[in-house]
Amino acid sequence: DAMVIQNPRYQVTQFGKPVTLSCSQTLNHNVMYWYQQKSSQAPKLLFHYYDKDFNNEADTPDNFQSRRPNTSFCFLDIRSPGLGDAAMYLCATSPDRGYEQYFGPGTRLTVT
Amino acid sequence: DQQVKQNSPSLSVQEGRISILNCDYTNSMFDYFLWYKKYPAEGPTFLISISSIKDKNEDGRFTVFLNKSAKHLSLHIVPSQPGDSAVYFCAASDIRGAQKLVFGQGTRLTINP
Repeated sequence: DAMVIQNPRYQVTQFGKPVTLSCSQTLNHNVMYWYQQKSSQAPKLLFHYYDKDFNNEADTPDNFQSRRPNTSFCFLDIRSPGLGDAAMYLCATSPDRGYEQYFGPGTRLTVT
Repeated sequence: DQQVKQNSPSLSVQEGRISILNCDYTNSMFDYFLWYKKYPAEGPTFLISISSIKDKNEDGRFTVFLNKSAKHLSLHIVPSQPGDSAVYFCAASDIRGAQKLVFGQGTRLTINP
């Protein structure tokens, strides 16, 4: 089955210790997104790649970076996690912007 | 500025009855609307969408209605089943403009036996 895969599902990191979350897709979609979701809130878009073109949201902190080495993979790097970065991180893909996005299961990040 | 609003944080419905989830938006440029369902510890799952050129779209037990003049959409689930218990997010996008999905805060639907 075509899908969006996120690893790991649960990640614990220490305050200030860099962490990388990964996402892969077998849908061959052009667009990949990273969202942050805190409990009982709407998903918040951090950035997205349209093919190789990186698009950052204006309010995404510099602490968050992303890489997309090929169509299938996209990474979220948090350079110096703070306690406020504890959240669910969702990866999504879509064939084009503005339409349905298909989400992975998410990575729950805990910062100690 | 919350452009997409789901004013009911929670909704409880008896199994077999109709569930109606509501969503309001403020941005008149939005022209594509979606509903997602989310179980705990999982990512949102796409349910159904509607373009602004339509006022209704139906898929099995799920129907979405769009009232452009009122800037309001609703999701009807009939009949409601226990497996429908989840958080439902509506989302909107401007497919000719910013092309990003803007999500509402979600409504937790509980189906009671």
